[in-house]
Amino acid sequence: EPEVTQTPSHQVTQMGQEVILRCVPISNHLYFYWYRQILGQKVEFLVSFYNNEISEKSEIFDDQFSVERPDGSNFTLKIRSTKLEDSAMYFCASTLAVLSTDTQYFGPGTRLTVL
Amino acid sequence: AQKVTQAQTEISVVEKEDVTLDCVYETRDTTYYLFWYKQPPSGELVFLIRRNSFDEQNEISGRYSWNFQKSTSSFNFTITASQVVDSAVYFCALSEAGVASGSRLTFGEGTQLTVNP
Repeated sequence: EPEVTQTPSHQVTQMGQEVILRCVPISNHLYFYWYRQILGQKVEFLVSFYNNEISEKSEIFDDQFSVERPDGSNFTLKIRSTKLEDSAMYFCASTLAVLSTDTQYFGPGTRLTVL
Repeated sequence: AQKVTQAQTEISVVEKEDVTLDCVYETRDTTYYLFWYKQPPSGELVFLIRRNSFDEQNEISGRYSWNFQKSTSSFNFTITASQVVDSAVYFCALSEAGVASGSRLTFGEGTQLTVNP
């Protein structure tokens, strides 16, 4: 069964460093998403991406964040200058449909630790 | 703005008991979608069920069933004959069907379910 994959599973970085989290969505899916989950808290939406551009972003997704689909399979989230409060689990998700009617399938997550 | 509330922070049951997880939502849209996801200790988010706002028919799928009531804005989830492997955090989520599509999921706080042998 097709699934969303994410690399790395765990990333440790120093405050102020740039990190790139990688995702490979399900191959025929059209919409891609990033969410984050601070330890012990709920899952929060960051950004959605369709047709090579951001379709929606939350207030969390400030200028430190960017997303890109550099090729036909990868979808990346970049944090330019990490802060301690960026430590969280980051989930990538994808969905098949053009309309928001379909289920979002999540990857296993990348745990980001900022020291 | 959309909001999802899961009032139960933690639930503990003994194996084979039935357990119901509560979810109450708020939205101004007339068309929306409700989901339940499971997050086991390994951390991934596993899709369980989805309902749309214009279909209030309640269903059963194996040991899972759900009760969707628009009148009370509730979307409760029941596990019948719980098993130890059901132990996880369960999240209720809402998606509004906007014109722009690709709508965000808004999650509740989650309910930690512990099933004891």
